Amino acid sequence: QVQLVQSGAEVESPGASMKVSCKAVGYTITGHYIHWVRQAPGQGLEWMGWINPNSGGTDYAQKFQGRVTMTRDTSISTAYMELSRLRSDDTAVYYCARGRYCSDGVCYHNYFDPWGQGTLVTVSS
Amino acid sequence: QSALTQPASVSGSPGLSITISCTGASSDVGGYNYVSWYQQHPGKVPKLIIYDVNNRPSGVSTRFSGSKSGNTASLTISGLQAEDEADYYCSSFTSSTLYVFGTGTKVTVL
Repeated sequence: QVQLVQSGAEVESPGASMKVSCKAVGYTITGHYIHWVRQAPGQGLEWMGWINPNSGGTDYAQKFQGRVTMTRDTSISTAYMELSRLRSDDTAVYYCARGRYCSDGVCYHNYFDPWGQGTLVTVSS
Repeated sequence: QSALTQPASVSGSPGLSITISCTGASSDVGGYNYVSWYQQHPGKVPKLIIYDVNNRPSGVSTRFSGSKSGNTASLTISGLQAEDEADYYCSSFTSSTLYVFGTGTKVTVL
C-alpha cells in the first residue's frame, strides 16, 4: 500500500527553524516528485514547493523562497522540508504529498495523491 | 502566483446537484488540463476526487464529476448526500512548473 508517513508534531520558537520528514512506504521514492502543502488553522491549502527525489531538484513557491529548503535521503526513502526564521503565522499543519513522475520527457500524475497524515507545527514563544 | 478563485460556500438539499467553480487564468487552469479537486472533512487529510480535469480515481463515487471551460474549472456533485458535507479545493499546474490551490469551498447539505 502506497503511503507517506510524516514526523510528529513540533513546537518551535519564533526565529527558529523546523524540519519535517516524510517517509515513502510501498513505492520507490525516486519515482515521483514530493510536494509540500501547508494549512494554517481554519484556512485553505497552500502549495509550498516540490522536490524531485531522483535528481534532488527543487522548485519553491515565491512566497517561501529564501526560507524553505527541501531535501531527500533516498537511502531511507525520506524527504524533508525545512523552514527557517519561523513566525507565528507559520503555525500550520504541514503535509507532504506524492506528485508527478516523468518518463521520456513526458510527465504524468500531475496531482497530489496520496498525502501524508500531516504534521502540526506550532510557533509560539 | 495568486490562489484560484472559488465560492466561499455552496449549499444544496439531499438528492440535488451542486456545482463549484474554480477560476484562474490562461497561465494555469486555462493553459493545462491538470486541474484536480480535493475533498477535506474537518480534521482530516485532503482526498483526491478528480484529476486531469475530469478523471475519477478508483473508489471515488461517480456522483463526482469535473469539467473545464476556458479559465474556469467546475466540480459537480450529483445526488447530494450528507457525507458530501466538507471543504473542497481545486488545484492546477501552472507555468514555471509550479502549482496553485483554490481558495476553498465549504459545502453544506441542507
